[in-house]
Amino acid sequence: RKEVEQDPGPFNVPEGATVAFNCTYSNSASQSFFWYRQDCRKEPKLLMSVYSSGNEDGRFTAQLNRASQYISLLIRDSKLSDSATYLCVVDLNAGNMLTFGGGTRLMVKP
Amino acid sequence: DAGVIQSPRHEVTEMGQEVTLRCKPISGHNSLFWYRQTMMRGLELLIYFNNNVPIDDSGMPEDRFSAKMPNASFSTLKIQPSEPRDSAVYFCASRAGNTIYFGEGSWLTVV
Repeated sequence: RKEVEQDPGPFNVPEGATVAFNCTYSNSASQSFFWYRQDCRKEPKLLMSVYSSGNEDGRFTAQLNRASQYISLLIRDSKLSDSATYLCVVDLNAGNMLTFGGGTRLMVKP
Repeated sequence: DAGVIQSPRHEVTEMGQEVTLRCKPISGHNSLFWYRQTMMRGLELLIYFNNNVPIDDSGMPEDRFSAKMPNASFSTLKIQPSEPRDSAVYFCASRAGNTIYFGEGSWLTVV
């Protein structure tokens, strides 16, 4: 089993749709969680951190479920510009080692 | 602000040649990471440095790979000799708090 696991997709959705991704992680002691976004042929960039109580940034909502060891990302009213790969990132050992999931590819279509 | 700077951006080399990738982290960041990304394996951490000291190199694939950080503003990743299976994007990243900032990557093709 991978330490940080994501459905690779692709998720093909129409503009305006709501889409959600999940990510599971292996170490129940993990403390820090993030979502990164990577555009085609570009470097990953931080989208948002994930806090225990859940957090929202505009159209994006991130949630953490410690009991089931997963985090989620919800995108509302999706835009064409949301098309990208979304990487789940977990600090598995409460240290400096951020582990990346394989990414979930999202394609938003007109 | 300058971000993480990597060079070269693209390199095509022949099998057996030495490849050196370079990275300048963001000033003030004391952690530096080298990642490799391929379609098959995704993003893999190769090695990371804290205050110029290598902390974990367990991700370095084999002895052909080596990394150095002689000072706080410069790091290299060397592959000698290179093989076609080393073809990938190599990202350097530096860290402030919990956020990792990536360079634009070095696209390596070994033929």
